[in-house]
Amino acid sequence: SAVISQKPSRDICQRGTSLTIQCQVDSQVTMMFWYRQQPGQSLTLIATANQGSEATYESGFVIDKFPISRPNLTFSTLTVSNMSPEDSSIYLCSVDQGWYGYTFGSGTRLTVV
Amino acid sequence: GQQLNQSPQSMFIQEGEDVSMNCTSSSIFNTWLWYKQDPGEGPVLLIALYKAGELTSNGRLTAQFGITRKDSFLNISASIPSDVGIYFCAGQSGETSGSRLTFGEGTQLTVNP
Repeated sequence: SAVISQKPSRDICQRGTSLTIQCQVDSQVTMMFWYRQQPGQSLTLIATANQGSEATYESGFVIDKFPISRPNLTFSTLTVSNMSPEDSSIYLCSVDQGWYGYTFGSGTRLTVV
Repeated sequence: GQQLNQSPQSMFIQEGEDVSMNCTSSSIFNTWLWYKQDPGEGPVLLIALYKAGELTSNGRLTAQFGITRKDSFLNISASIPSDVGIYFCAGQSGETSGSRLTFGEGTQLTVNP
C-alpha cells in the first residue's frame, strides 16, 4: 500500500495564526482526503482534494478556514487559518487504495494556545 | 447524514480473552472497513469487507459484513497486550473509488497482562 508522509507531526501554535500541514504520497493518487480528529473523538472528513480543481468541502467546513492545495498527484497541503483553541485536533490525510481500503498518514497533532 | 453506532465505547479485558465489537447503521453500506489506531498514529486498516454476508479473517481477527449491509462486527481472539488501541469501523456507501467514508465513534480496548 501507499506510504504517506505528513508534516509536521505536531505543533503548538498561538491563536490567530495559521498552520500549513503537508501530505506527501509515494505514488500518484487521484483523490486525497483531509480528516480532523478532535480529542477523544472519531474522524470527520474535512474535504476531498482533487488535482487540478478546487477541493470539495463537507458540511461545516469552509475554504476560508481550511484552504487546501493539490498541485500534483502526490502532494497536498491543508492550512488551518486564524486558529483558535477549538481547532486543537489531530489532522490526518488519507488516500483511497481501492482494494486495500483507505491509507492514512500518521497525523499532525495541533495544539492551539 | 449517515451515522454509525459503534459499541462498546470501551472494553477492559484480561490477556487471552476474546473481544467482540460491532457497528450498526440506519443506512446501507457497500464496503465495511475496520481500523486500529495506536496513540500518535493514524488509523491502520485491519480488515476490508466488500460483500454482504462476507466473513473474513486476518490472523486472530475476524470480521463479518452483515447480510442487511447495515452492520458489521469484529472479533479478536486470544487478546494480547499489543491489541491495546482504538478500533474504528468505517462504512463506504459509494461503489466508485473515492466515495466518502463514515466512521464509527471507536472502541477503546485495554488489555491487562
